[in-house]
Amino acid sequence: GEDVEQSLFLSVREGDSSVINCTYTDSSSTYLYWYKQEPGAGLQLLTYIFSNMDMKQDQRLTVLLNKKDKHLSLRIADTQTGDSAIYFCAESAGNRDDKIIFGKGTRLHILP
Amino acid sequence: NAGVTQTPKFQVLKTGQSMTLQCAQDMNHNSMYWYRQDPGMGLRLIYYSASEGTTDKGEVPNGYNVSRLNKREFSLRLESAAPSQTSVYFCASSEEVGYYGYTFGSGTRLTVV
Repeated sequence: GEDVEQSLFLSVREGDSSVINCTYTDSSSTYLYWYKQEPGAGLQLLTYIFSNMDMKQDQRLTVLLNKKDKHLSLRIADTQTGDSAIYFCAESAGNRDDKIIFGKGTRLHILP
Repeated sequence: NAGVTQTPKFQVLKTGQSMTLQCAQDMNHNSMYWYRQDPGMGLRLIYYSASEGTTDKGEVPNGYNVSRLNKREFSLRLESAAPSQTSVYFCASSEEVGYYGYTFGSGTRLTVV
């Protein structure tokens, strides 16, 4: 079945850029998502990208998609302490009955 | 605009007790979901409702039941709680099953002793 893989932990110094990587197996993925979960809270949709796009930028966030390699990345520029959270990669085929498949999440730890 | 509201936020149950977790959304979404989140396991789908009047099993449905009461509300029931059901439970909703991402509630932290 479909699978979404991401590393479990990432440590980055405050002010540096964070890059969180994700790979997925479903070649029919149409929507690819990044969610953020802050401590004690639910998941919040950060951004999503369509499979016909290579890149999407939104302020400090840059999403890169390599469809050939089925690789998605989230870059956070000028990482701040408020970026400390778990980041989930997710994908869906975009058909009416295809549920979103989530990765296990990457915990981003900010070093002072 | 409240989004997705879950109650209660915290609950402690004794083994064998029953309880219902409540979820309501005010975004006129068609689809609703129940997930559990455990350390190292990510999110696992318990049940979902693609539209009012329908419910389907997800990845880990055993020990749970659901009711889609109306378009707004989707409840999760534990008939006889077990320690293995200690988890954080999230409700989510979306316009349709596969489109545009889900909106999540803030979660219910359940401990079964």
